[in-house]
Amino acid sequence: DGGITQSPKYLFRKEGQNVTLSCEQNLNHDAMYWYRQDPGQGLRLIYYSQIVNDFQKGDIAEGYSVSREKKESFPLTVTSAQKNPTAFYLCASSRGNGNEKLFFGSGTQLSVL
Amino acid sequence: AQSVTQLGSHVSVSEGALVLLRCNYSSSVPPYLFWYVQYPNQGLQLLLKYTSAATLVKGINGFEAEFKKSETSFHLTKPSAHMSDAAEYFCAVSDRSYNKLIFGAGTRLAVHP
Repeated sequence: DGGITQSPKYLFRKEGQNVTLSCEQNLNHDAMYWYRQDPGQGLRLIYYSQIVNDFQKGDIAEGYSVSREKKESFPLTVTSAQKNPTAFYLCASSRGNGNEKLFFGSGTQLSVL
Repeated sequence: AQSVTQLGSHVSVSEGALVLLRCNYSSSVPPYLFWYVQYPNQGLQLLLKYTSAATLVKGINGFEAEFKKSETSFHLTKPSAHMSDAAEYFCAVSDRSYNKLIFGAGTRLAVHP
């Protein structure tokens, strides 16, 4: 089955530690996205990538980094510079045109120890 | 800049009653508009989208939404609520040139017997 897979489902970070969230898709989509979800704030865009080897900052990119070395993979690193990392992180992909729907993964809940 | 406002963070209805979830948007260009649904601890699923064809859009699970340019609104309705409709609903707007979605804060729908 085609889809988008996020791992792990739950992740814990210690102070000063970098952690990486995985996102893989087998839909052959050009565009991929990372959103952060906090209660009562909806989804906020962290980074997005329209093609391989290219990505742009979203609205809340500070403290995060990404790479897009392969079409099917878009990992997100939460760095120690992100002082409030506890949130639900959602990865999505699409064909990249403005009217195309996003396909979402099932999310990763990141918490701070 | 584009933005979305969802009026009412929580809506409660009786089973069988009308569901009305409100969404107003702001966009400097004709927008693409979407409604997504999220069940607990899951990603988002597309309910319906408006891409400048018919102003009344029908989606999955009996939901529909009407694009009203004069009111800059895209409210979501369902004639008769079912217990399985309990979830969080997000309205989103997209720039036509690329697929970067801006989400509203979400409305949590509760359905009681």
